[in-house]
Amino acid sequence: QQQVKQSPQSLIVQKGGISIINCAYENTAFDYFPWYQQFPGKGPALLIAIRPDVSEKKEGRFTISFNKSAKQFSLHIMDSQPGDSATYFCAAIHSNYQLIWGAGTKLIIKP
Amino acid sequence: EAGVVQSPRYKIIEKKQPVAFWCNPISGHNTLYWYLQNLGQGPELLIRYENEEAVDDSQLPKDRFSAERLKGVDSTLKIQPAELGDSAVYLCASSPGLPPQTQYFGPGTRLLVL
Repeated sequence: QQQVKQSPQSLIVQKGGISIINCAYENTAFDYFPWYQQFPGKGPALLIAIRPDVSEKKEGRFTISFNKSAKQFSLHIMDSQPGDSATYFCAAIHSNYQLIWGAGTKLIIKP
Repeated sequence: EAGVVQSPRYKIIEKKQPVAFWCNPISGHNTLYWYLQNLGQGPELLIRYENEEAVDDSQLPKDRFSAERLKGVDSTLKIQPAELGDSAVYLCASSPGLPPQTQYFGPGTRLLVL
């Protein structure tokens, strides 16, 4: 019940396309859902985050869609660029501040 | 505003040797975390501090790992003795101590045990 399931494990998208990464959770005690972007040799960097009372949040080319009833959320990257190539982690924060991580998605944007 | 600072960035040691990692969190962040990250996987929590108190060290292998945050700011993670399986990236993160406790990560220390 503490897990966050993330898919796909890897994703290849053409430049200019839409990248979509999906996550699902079981524990309804999760109350905050951040996405992290990690480049090789760097620490994870907060990309965008959402609370469960919001169905969508957009920041530039990055959008989180949240479906509370289905306990699913997804990251959409519009107009994907080669510089977006990285590993993306979804996560959920428990009310006791524990961060539960998805397994990660390695995204490659082909020029 | 400076981010989370970690040093060293890379460390190569022989097995059975000791090693220490240092972290300086973002100014004003009361909560500090140490994580271990293996290649291709998500970070795994080792220990969480609220100020100088270790409030969650359930995943810290206490036979060889130790950590301290003496004045509630900087922190040190130590491994003694190191084993081959300890080769990984050690990440430090901090958060402001208020909900939603968004965590900000340092660049990590890449450890190779030979």
